[in-house]
Amino acid sequence: LAKTTQPISMDSYEGQEVNITCSHNNIATNDYITWYQQFPSQGPRFIIQGYKTKVTNEVASLFIPADRKSSTLSLPRVSLSDTAVYYCLVGVPRGGYNKLIFGAGTRLAVHP
Amino acid sequence: DGGITQSPKYLFRKEGQNVTLSCEQNLNHDAMYWYRQDPGQGLRLIYYSQIVNDFQKGDIAEGYSVSREKKESFPLTVTSAQKNPTAFYLCATYSPGRDSPLHFGNGTRLTVT
Repeated sequence: LAKTTQPISMDSYEGQEVNITCSHNNIATNDYITWYQQFPSQGPRFIIQGYKTKVTNEVASLFIPADRKSSTLSLPRVSLSDTAVYYCLVGVPRGGYNKLIFGAGTRLAVHP
Repeated sequence: DGGITQSPKYLFRKEGQNVTLSCEQNLNHDAMYWYRQDPGQGLRLIYYSQIVNDFQKGDIAEGYSVSREKKESFPLTVTSAQKNPTAFYLCATYSPGRDSPLHFGNGTRLTVT
């Protein structure tokens, strides 16, 4: 099972770009990389998912190097409302099921 | 997530009582998961089910039980054997597919006194 490692916390300021990196050295060939955002007392909200290279949607970008042993979530121009915990999940496979284990998450604080 | 309903949002019980948390989904997803979250902590896997009538233990299954009699439902029972049941409980679902992520419900906060 792929274990993920993220920074415990990060601080940023409004309008800045934030990059959060997740390490997953033993990622399996079929595993996707998925990022979630969680606010207190709410369920995690899906942000972005990818398999390799770069994925971009309306809220974030996900960069995955060729060896797939790490990934970086990029949040452009953060605002105060982006203050939350961000989780990297590895293991949602193509065409199969898996025991899905979350890491400890990164607590992002955005300051005015 | 509108497709996954966890009820109730808040639940209070006395110590020594069993309590069942509900998770219902209309996403037609095969796999369902239960996670526990303690204050300021990450998500820990309790049980998961890949198909009806089948489920597997996660990392912290002791003191919990589940059933999967219907595809849409995966109730979690917190038994009196669970030493520290007060926590936030999250249900999640997904189906295998090229772009299918794990979807979460809004959680049930259980307080046992």
